[in-house]
Amino acid sequence: GENVEQHPSTLSVQEGDSAVIKCTYSDSASNYFPWYKQELGKRPQLIIDIRSNVGEKKDQRIAVTLNKTAKHFSLHITETQPEDSAVYFCAASNPQAGTALIFGKGTTLSVSS
Amino acid sequence: GAVVSQHPSWVICKSGTSVKIECRSLDFQATTMFWYRQFPKQSLMLMATSNEGSKATYEQGVEKDKFLINHASLTLSTLTVTSAHPEDSSFYICSVKREALIGELFFGEGSRLTVL
Repeated sequence: GENVEQHPSTLSVQEGDSAVIKCTYSDSASNYFPWYKQELGKRPQLIIDIRSNVGEKKDQRIAVTLNKTAKHFSLHITETQPEDSAVYFCAASNPQAGTALIFGKGTTLSVSS
Repeated sequence: GAVVSQHPSWVICKSGTSVKIECRSLDFQATTMFWYRQFPKQSLMLMATSNEGSKATYEQGVEKDKFLINHASLTLSTLTVTSAHPEDSSFYICSVKREALIGELFFGEGSRLTVL
C-alpha cells in the first residue's frame, strides 16, 4: 500500500520568511496530493491540492510542486504570518481506484513575530 | 457551511462500555466514507473504509469486532467502539469523498473519546 513520508516534523520560522515542507510517496499509482492544515482540536482543512498531470500550483502565498518521477511533492508558504502556525499534513491517494488518503506524519509550523 | 457533521464532538466513558459516533454527509450522498483515528500529536491513521450497503473494509491491525462500522444509508455512517479501554482514547474523524470532486475529502469535526 501507499506510504507517505513527511519532513521536517517541526519547523520554526520568523514572520515574513518562507517555509517549505517536503513529502515523498511510494505508490506510483497515486495521482492526487492534497495538503491539509490542522489547528489544535480542529478538523483538517484542505489548503491546496495538486494532481499528477500538473507540476506546480499556486494560490496566493501557498504553492505546491510535484515531481512525479522522483515521487516528491512540496508545500511552499511565502511571507509567513503567525496565523500560519499549525500542523500541516501531506497526503496521497488514487481516487479513481477508490483508495483513501494516506497521510504523512505532519509538520508543526511555528511562525514567530 | 459544514458538509460533514460528526457527533458527539467529545465523549467520556468508563472502561468496558461502548460508544457510538455518527458521521453524516449533509450536502450530498456518499457511498463511501472513511474513518480515521488520530492520537495526540500524531497523524491521521486510516482505520476503515465504510461502504454503503456492504461491509466495511478494515486496515491491517484494526479489529473489526472492536470497531463496528455501519453505513446504513447514503448519508450516515456510524462507528461503535465496543468494550472501550483507555488505550482507545483518541480523536476519531470521519471523512467523505464527494464524487464530483474526485479525491478531495471533507472531514467531520472529529470526536474526542476519553476512556476512564
